[in-house]
Amino acid sequence: DIQMTQSPASLSASLEEIVTITCQASQDIGNWLAWYQQKPGKSPQLLIYGATSLADGVPSRFSGSRSGTQYSLKISRLQVEDPGIYYCLQGYSAPWTFGGGTKLELK
Amino acid sequence: EIQLQESGPGLVKPSQSLSLTCSVTGYTITSGYDWSWIRKFPGNKMEWMGYISYSGSTNYNPSLKSRISITRDTSKNQFFLQLNSVTTEDTATYYCASNYGYPNWFAYWGQGTLVTVSS
Repeated sequence: DIQMTQSPASLSASLEEIVTITCQASQDIGNWLAWYQQKPGKSPQLLIYGATSLADGVPSRFSGSRSGTQYSLKISRLQVEDPGIYYCLQGYSAPWTFGGGTKLELK
Repeated sequence: EIQLQESGPGLVKPSQSLSLTCSVTGYTITSGYDWSWIRKFPGNKMEWMGYISYSGSTNYNPSLKSRISITRDTSKNQFFLQLNSVTTEDTATYYCASNYGYPNWFAYWGQGTLVTVSS
């Protein structure tokens, strides 16, 4: 199975701050990487797919990038509605595997 | 708009089988795409369990292969999860999800249902 190592496990940031979350894949997965946001009591929401493409309806302050087998999710200006748990997911080969999650809180 | 909703028992005894239903509205599951089960454990780990495709073929996570079965009822536009010989480690929130509109990505999810395995 492809392992996705996500960091940090948790982070606290202030409003308007830039936030970056990363995932390291255990092997080359190309651009087969997605990012999800999950708020308490809700199901995960697709934010980014294909490593860099923004899903429909997702604010433009979210962006994704790739450098080799390292993938990043950037929130350019943290908003009050952004806290939650963020996950990466590799879609390169089954079994599809998730990162361990990053819990993002407002400072 | 496509919607998915899970239903089933919230409590299952160890060694028994866990059975869940995902009811889909707004799209016919035989028209396209894959229909998955995913679970989230206490502590936030997420695991893809398997899917049934629009054609009826299945693909399971090898970690579960001997215990899992995903089937469907096309007349009711539902698909099902059965997980056999459960233990307390199967306690999790179970989601059904689909890659509708986004091949290869889980774009639509049900609200999730918590299943506790306990005697």
